[in-house]
Amino acid sequence: AQTVTQSQPEMSVQEAETVTLSCTYDTSESNYYLFWYKQPPSRQMILVIRQEAYKQQNATENRFSVNFQKAAKSFSLKISDSQLGDTAMYFCAFPNNAGNMLTFGGGTRLMVKP
Amino acid sequence: NAGVTQTPKFRVLKTGQSMTLLCAQDMNHEYMYWYRQDPGMGLRLIHYSVGEGTTAKGEVPDGYNVSRLKKQNFLLGLESAAPSQTSVYFCASRGDRAYSGANVLTFGAGSRLTVL
Repeated sequence: AQTVTQSQPEMSVQEAETVTLSCTYDTSESNYYLFWYKQPPSRQMILVIRQEAYKQQNATENRFSVNFQKAAKSFSLKISDSQLGDTAMYFCAFPNNAGNMLTFGGGTRLMVKP
Repeated sequence: NAGVTQTPKFRVLKTGQSMTLLCAQDMNHEYMYWYRQDPGMGLRLIHYSVGEGTTAKGEVPDGYNVSRLKKQNFLLGLESAAPSQTSVYFCASRGDRAYSGANVLTFGAGSRLTVL
């Protein structure tokens, strides 16, 4: 069975600082996508960033970047210059081998403090 | 473009009552999903559908039934609600089998269900 583990239930960071959220997963596949989703208090699930395992270069979307360590099966999310609007739950997610469903981690609640 | 719409957004039920959550998408997506979200457990897949007329069980299917009679709609039913089914339910859809850079899940806004 696919497993996705987020070991940090809660984190906090001061505004304008950098924070890294951790995620590890388990798979026997060689090529796949990994995703980070954000869920603000509005409850809407928003895609933050995605990474293709085939690519060695880490994905970047503005202030959000990933540190993808394929051999270690680690997929962490770095948020630079944290803003109050980044306060949210963050979920990493990973498809199953058949590619027909996405498995989510338990989430990390991030609080950005002014 | 409405995307994925869930109704109702909130509902309170008594134990033993039945209800149906409706998910509608206007993106002509093949794949549709029902997840439930509980504190500390992330999102867990209840049932999913890979096309009109098809359904399949996910991680936590017990106590739920689904139907996909029309491509754009995916219904989640609770025949006899239990307090353990108190949760936030999310519907999602995507266009194709393979996850890719462009083919990602689009979520509805969620439905909060409380069973007393």
